[in-house]
Amino acid sequence: GAVVSQHPSWVICKSGTSVKIECRSLDFQATTMFWYRQFPKQSLMLMATSNEGSKATYEQGVEKDKFLINHASLTLSTLTVTSAHPEDSSFYICSASLKPSGNTIYFGEGSWLTVV
Amino acid sequence: AQKITQTQPGMFVQEKEAVTLDCTYDTSDQSYGLFWYKQPSSGEMIFLIYQGSYDEQNATEGRYSLNFQKARKSANLVISASQLGDSAMYFCAMREGPGTYKYIFGTGTRLKVLA
Repeated sequence: GAVVSQHPSWVICKSGTSVKIECRSLDFQATTMFWYRQFPKQSLMLMATSNEGSKATYEQGVEKDKFLINHASLTLSTLTVTSAHPEDSSFYICSASLKPSGNTIYFGEGSWLTVV
Repeated sequence: AQKITQTQPGMFVQEKEAVTLDCTYDTSDQSYGLFWYKQPSSGEMIFLIYQGSYDEQNATEGRYSLNFQKARKSANLVISASQLGDSAMYFCAMREGPGTYKYIFGTGTRLKVLA
């Protein structure tokens, strides 16, 4: 079964509004989660590393004020796309590792965001 | 800088036959991990197989095996006895060094299994 749950799976929002995507680790504590973005027919691009209790670490070129990440608990990280624009439409997917030195990360189901 | 290269944008294979998906990597780290993930059209990422840089044996998981050639920096995925349900995107990924679980992904290979 799924070890990482992501919600919502699909979301449509109006341009200029904000939308929040949740990523939950099920039955385990994830001190670190990751947020990826995937454009159609392209690979996953790491956006940021979400650390529980501290600020997220953003990859180069990712606007931290645009993509707000909050990791308030050991089982929940949220990505908020603020003032969304149509070019923010994409597939967003989170991941978490089962343990600090885990070899494998598990992904959420992903969230399809469409900004109209 | 670390890099993952998948040179096959798309592959076809006949059902029940084996197929090899290519992956080469570039890293200066001595310790690293290599992974393959399957992404069906639904978008979820499904972990398939893992190979550690110090593992002497090639990893195997059911019908999946990883042909790890360290000197050539290649980590090809072999799928034996292909099934129609294997049709999906396949991503090769690398974990950058010890003490981190930051991953980089290749551009993927779209596999189509033909009946």
